[in-house]
Order: sequence, then structure tokens, then C-alpha cells
Amino acid sequence: NAGVTQTPKFRILKIGQSMTLQCTQDMNHNYMYWYRQDPGMGLKLIYYSVGAGITDKGEVPNGYNVSRSTTEDFPLRLELAAPSQTSVYFCASSRSGERRWTEAFFGQGTRLTVV
Amino acid sequence: GESVGLHLPTLSVQEGDNSIINCAYSNSASDYFIWYKQESGKGPQFIIDIRSNMDKRQGQRVTVLLNKTVKHLSLQIAATQPGDSAVYFCAEPSGAGSYQLTFGKGTKLSVIP
Repeated sequence: NAGVTQTPKFRILKIGQSMTLQCTQDMNHNYMYWYRQDPGMGLKLIYYSVGAGITDKGEVPNGYNVSRSTTEDFPLRLELAAPSQTSVYFCASSRSGERRWTEAFFGQGTRLTVV
Repeated sequence: GESVGLHLPTLSVQEGDNSIINCAYSNSASDYFIWYKQESGKGPQFIIDIRSNMDKRQGQRVTVLLNKTVKHLSLQIAATQPGDSAVYFCAEPSGAGSYQLTFGKGTKLSVIP
């Protein structure tokens, strides 16, 4: 099925470890996003990309890095994991233009626990 | 900080009743709002949107009302069904170029059979 695929679905990291959350979409969307969602809270934007080779910081970028070498893939890298990064991470993609929010697709999420 | 927020964190309604979920915003220049539904273990899904030149917009069983005077919007769900049980967020584009979405905290809707 077409959509946004995130891997892994669950992960436990020790403090100081690193990992990459994978995200791929097969809808040829230009825009991709990474959000984090803390318990009982709304989503906060970490990074976004408006096309291959272009990335920009969102509201909460510290402790994360991204790259966008292809249209399909938008991996999120955590270096030196900290307990404050325990959260559920959502990747999303959308078209450009006015309908980017009404036609945004979200992945199923990655639940990350840092201990 | 957040410019959208929600009045109630939880809402329980009887199946078949109407549900009303509220959201307040602080920026009087906000001109576009979106409601998302998030079912347990899933990412958000778009429900309905509204622009500030409208007071009301209707979809299938959902209606969004916008009151710009008091900076308040609400999502009304008619004849609530068990499948409507989810967390509902209001959100608005923000940041330079409006690439970002600012989400409120969410209201958890529980439908009692």
C-alpha cells in the first residue's frame, strides 16, 4: 500500500547510544517532516525538508540530524541519546502547495525509550 | 510557545450523541486551522479545515465552527460512533513559509456504547 513507512516501530536505547529512524514514502511527495509526540501532548516539529538536498530546523531540532538525499527517504539521526528524547516519533510527507496540510500522510510512529 | 490549545483533555459521550471539542488560539492573525484525528497507535489523519474568511464548514458528520471574536474554534461530531474514539487535535501552520504545523495538546474522545 502507498504511504509513509517508518522503521523500527519500537526501540530501547541506552543513554549515549546513537540510532537512525528510517522513513520512506512512495507518493513522490516533495515535503517530508519529522515530529515528536510526548505523552498527552501534541506533535512538535523536529526537522522538515521541501525537497531532496534541502532540510531545515523545526521547533525542537536539538539532539537530532536529518538528511534528504532522495525524494523517497528522510532518515532522522539521534546522536548521544538522552532520556529527554523518549517519545513517539512520526514521519510525514505531503505535496507542496496549499493542500499540503489536508493531504499530509503520517507514518505509524516509532516509540523510542532512552534508559 | 503554542498558539493553539484545548479546553478539555478528555471527553466521554454516549454513542449516538453529538460531540463538541473545543480549541482556543492566541494569534489574531491566524487564518487557517486544521483538525486531525489520531487513533491509538497511529499517526494523525486530516479531518477538516477552515479558513478565517469562514465561520463554519461542514464535512461528513463533522462541522467546524470558527469564532474570530473570541479566538475559538470547535469541532462538532454528529451521531458519535465507537469508531470516533480517538484524540483530536487542532493545528495551524506556523513559522516562516508556513511549513510547520503547531498542534494543540489534544482532546481524548471516548465513546460509550
